[in-house]
Amino acid sequence: DVKVTQSSRYLVKRTGEKVFLECVQDMDHENMFWYRQDPGLGLRLIYFSYDVKMKEKGDIPEGYSVSREKKERFSLILESASTNQTSMYLCASKPSGQGRTDTQYFGPGTRLTVL
Amino acid sequence: QKEVEQDPGPLSVPEGAIVSLNCTYSNSAFQYFMWYRQYSRKGPELLMYTYSSGNKEDGRFTAQVDKSSKYISLFIRDSQPSDSATYLCAMTQGGSYIPTFGRGTSLIVHP
Repeated sequence: DVKVTQSSRYLVKRTGEKVFLECVQDMDHENMFWYRQDPGLGLRLIYFSYDVKMKEKGDIPEGYSVSREKKERFSLILESASTNQTSMYLCASKPSGQGRTDTQYFGPGTRLTVL
Repeated sequence: QKEVEQDPGPLSVPEGAIVSLNCTYSNSAFQYFMWYRQYSRKGPELLMYTYSSGNKEDGRFTAQVDKSSKYISLFIRDSQPSDSATYLCAMTQGGSYIPTFGRGTSLIVHP
């Protein structure tokens, strides 16, 4: 079974703090993704990475950066947290290729609250 | 207009009912169609996967794709309270690894 783990389930931070969210997958997947999920807005893609040290902006990258130094690990960084970044953050991974492998595997999520 | 439209619900049904969840889409290039189930405070998990048009059955679940109408459905037979969750549809174009998600439909199955 594919396993995607996220460093924290719940996190509370203060405005202006630098926040690190970490994601690790154990299935040697090439592609990794960071989403945020908000009521009524669904899943929105922040950043994704298709290889080590490679990153691409998603739909809402502003206020976020990412790092992928190792294949299994993808980090999301909030440089200066703001209250509008309070959300559920979901990491996902996916192998390359099409067909049955064209599906994403999600982690349990990190519920971040910025006060 | 969003590329993928999904009614957020909530959809409330009695135990044992047949449930129909639907998504419509506008991009005719979508070829791979998925349904994810997400329990409260958990990440989404893949439930069903279909390629192109047709039906696929897995136990109490049936996924249906009608590409001519740009409409996909998930049917749940003999629904159980444990089926209460948010169901998200997702779809990708061939050659793309970035899925487009619907906003999810909240399903409540009451005993």
